[in-house]
Amino acid sequence: GDSVTQMEGPVTLSEEAFLTINCTYTATGYPSLFWYVQYPGEGLQLLLKATKADDKGSNKGFEATYRKETTSFHLEKGSVQVSDSAVYFCALNGGTGTASKLTFGTGTRLQVTL
Amino acid sequence: GAGVSQSPSNKVTEKGKDVELRCDPISGHTALYWYRQSLGQGLEFLIYFQGNSAPDKSGLPSDRFSAERTGGSVSTLTIQRTQQEDSAVYLCASSKTGVDTDTQYFGPGTRLTVL
Repeated sequence: GDSVTQMEGPVTLSEEAFLTINCTYTATGYPSLFWYVQYPGEGLQLLLKATKADDKGSNKGFEATYRKETTSFHLEKGSVQVSDSAVYFCALNGGTGTASKLTFGTGTRLQVTL
Repeated sequence: GAGVSQSPSNKVTEKGKDVELRCDPISGHTALYWYRQSLGQGLEFLIYFQGNSAPDKSGLPSDRFSAERTGGSVSTLTIQRTQQEDSAVYLCASSKTGVDTDTQYFGPGTRLTVL
């Protein structure tokens, strides 16, 4: 079945540091890939998505590229801020652009300090 | 409404009691999903509705769990004879038909505590 593996946290960075959170996946077919973010005390928010190979999703300075050859969707940001402190979840939708369940990774907690 | 809403936001119950959790999806979204988030298990899919029917209920952990959706809108997740291991945050999400059907928008969740 479908699965998502993301790097263990917590990740602790100083403000303005470069961020990478690794995510790899296993799926049949051609899934859509997502990053969701959960800020402290809040619900899950969609951060970015990509629906096909080589697509790059981007939002709020975050980027991730759908790499079919390495089955990866790593999240990157060039300069993190304290306000980026949150838990980040990588997810896939195996329904190939249609409605179907999301399979999530375990989440990676990011802590950004001054 | 503007976003997915869920009620109650918090629910504390005693072991063995039944609970009902409610989800109101974004207006016009035909697909509705239930997930739960717990410390030990992460984010788990429970059930998915398309309109009022449930094509995928593979994630319901036991027959104590059931869900229904009426009028293609509001959904209720019912847990009968609650157990302590049911303690979790129950999340609801919805998605639209047509373009961007694979993007799910989440509600704030219901935190369930079973004593």
